[in-house]
Amino acid sequence: DQQVKQNSPSLSVQEGRISILNCDYTNSMFDYFLWYKKYPAEGPTFLISISSIKDKNEDGRFTVFLNKSAKHLSLHIVPSQPGDSAVYFCAASVGEYGNKLVFGAGTILRVKS
Amino acid sequence: NAGVMQNPRHLVRRRGQEARLRCSPMKGHSHVYWYRQLPEEGLKFMVYLQKENIIDESGMPKERFSAEFPKEGPSILRIQQVVRGDSAAYFCASSRSTEAFFGQGTRLTVV
Repeated sequence: DQQVKQNSPSLSVQEGRISILNCDYTNSMFDYFLWYKKYPAEGPTFLISISSIKDKNEDGRFTVFLNKSAKHLSLHIVPSQPGDSAVYFCAASVGEYGNKLVFGAGTILRVKS
Repeated sequence: NAGVMQNPRHLVRRRGQEARLRCSPMKGHSHVYWYRQLPEEGLKFMVYLQKENIIDESGMPKERFSAEFPKEGPSILRIQQVVRGDSAAYFCASSRSTEAFFGQGTRLTVV
């Protein structure tokens, strides 16, 4: 059973425009959510996180939105840059501290210049 | 401050051999996690360890797989009698409290 789903395998965006990556989850116990970025042959790199007590968290060009009632979160990248081209993974956990992450299958983002 | 270090980066084993994957967490991190990524899939949790203790091994196959995080030295993921289906990228992550930081992974190929 996939508790974290990223339904878009890939996304293509023009440089300078907004990239929106989506993620849905089924387990209502999840209360901490993270986005990771991964280049080929490298490990995932932490981007941004959000606790379930918030509905938005912003860090530079990256903003994560959380809609608890819909069990949906999204990552917005504005403006998109060619260096943002990578695989983006959504992950969720129960609790923030020392808990396993459940990952989605990832979305390949291609930013065209 | 070095990141999470995994070695080897690539490991080739014949069916039936043993594979040992090593992970040195970031300095000051006491939580270590192992994840496996199969082709076209996301990372799947395997095991969570703290020094000398296995906290959660709910994602570990019941046979052939074991993990340890000794008082001294790196965490080790051990796969005995490897089979072709064990071919995957194995990632280690460490954390002090919240966000987990990942190593570059070990790509295991079983031939």
